[in-house]
Amino acid sequence: AQKITQTQPGMFVQEKEAVTLDCTYDTSDPSYGLFWYKQPSSGEMIFLIYQGSYDQQNATEGRYSLNFQKARKSANLVISASQLGDSAMYFCAMREGGNQFYFGTGTSLTVIP
Amino acid sequence: GAGVSQTPSNKVTEKGKYVELRCDPISGHTALYWYRQSLGQGPEFLIYFQGTGAADDSGLPNDRFFAVRPEGSVSTLKIQRTERGDSAVYLCASSLSIRAADTQYFGPGTRLTVL
Repeated sequence: AQKITQTQPGMFVQEKEAVTLDCTYDTSDPSYGLFWYKQPSSGEMIFLIYQGSYDQQNATEGRYSLNFQKARKSANLVISASQLGDSAMYFCAMREGGNQFYFGTGTSLTVIP
Repeated sequence: GAGVSQTPSNKVTEKGKYVELRCDPISGHTALYWYRQSLGQGPEFLIYFQGTGAADDSGLPNDRFFAVRPEGSVSTLKIQRTERGDSAVYLCASSLSIRAADTQYFGPGTRLTVL
């Protein structure tokens, strides 16, 4: 079974609008971390936001927030007030304690002016 | 402070040759990871180190791939008898430890092209 599933290969959003990128995960470990990374066309992987499995509140970092629904095993990324520079690939990742990171297949986001 | 660095940034080699890719992690980070990323795909795990030892090498595709981290800092990914299918971007990342909460920080990658 896939550890991380991103079902949206490509997404479009109008500049200044909000967009949600979906991510579901699969684990039986009670302790895990969920991460989102951005990869622009330059190729660098940029860390955006982290959510711990025991965190009671959804994580937020500036315009990024993580909609964490533990029972549904989903960790969707919400980007508010989209900017042209947000156009990139976005990867959801999970880490179980002491183990490797698992990455999804990514979502390509295009912000339309 | 300095981030993760990788050298070379680009490597072009001929089929059958040996290559070494180097990764210099963030100072103080005990965990180091190698990934391979093909065009349009997510990073594919290869191996990770906790300190000097390989904690999990289950992602190495075959015995042509090998990685070392002799002093618990710099790591080298070695590929013998390269094949055209090895062409990809090889990413290195480091994290403070292997706790679930520890974020991985990535280097810029090495683009390997096997002709």
